[in-house]
Amino acid sequence: AQSVSQHNHHVILSEAASLELGCNYSYGGTVNLFWYVQYPGQHLQLLLKYFSGDPLVKGIKGFEAEFIKSKFSFNLRKPSVQWSDTAEYFCAVNAVRTGRRALTFGSGTRLQVQP
Amino acid sequence: DTEVTQTPKHLVMGMTNKKSLKCEQHMGHRAMYWYKQKAKKPPELMFVYSYEKLSINESVPSRFSPECPNSSLLNLHLHALQPEDSALYLCASSQPDTGKRSVQYFGPGTRLTVT
Repeated sequence: AQSVSQHNHHVILSEAASLELGCNYSYGGTVNLFWYVQYPGQHLQLLLKYFSGDPLVKGIKGFEAEFIKSKFSFNLRKPSVQWSDTAEYFCAVNAVRTGRRALTFGSGTRLQVQP
Repeated sequence: DTEVTQTPKHLVMGMTNKKSLKCEQHMGHRAMYWYKQKAKKPPELMFVYSYEKLSINESVPSRFSPECPNSSLLNLHLHALQPEDSALYLCASSQPDTGKRSVQYFGPGTRLTVT
């Protein structure tokens, strides 16, 4: 069974600081990878996704993520965070070959950006 | 339009009540999902419907009963719940016909409190 680890549970940054959130998954086969964001009081929104091809993917709001297959990682980055980026960030995986479309989520990282 | 709607937004019910949660999407998606999210935790899969047929039941207690009356609607019938069932219930949908590249879109959730 696949699992997802997010090692940073709570991150506090000042505005304009750079962000990197770690995500590692355990599954030996082909995976689809996602980052979702949940702003306070709002629903889960897709930030970006990786299916195949260029391992560096760009998402909305200036976020990007890099898939490193050898490290089973899909870390999220943003060069300069804003106060409005305060939210919970979830990495999610779905294993392609199992045909199981359901997502397995990491435990989430709460990002707090201070003005 | 990537909207998934859920009603009601909030629900308070007693342990002997029967209630239903509703989810609707008009994106032509043929896979729909129920997830349960406890406070400060990631979403956990409960059920998956594919082409209106139940394809995954993650060993959910029988006091939760899903129903997919048509391709746009997904219900979750609740009966004799326990206080520990209090959570945010999320609905999601995706298009399984895209093969391995489906993205799940989430609704805002129903915040359920069992008293």
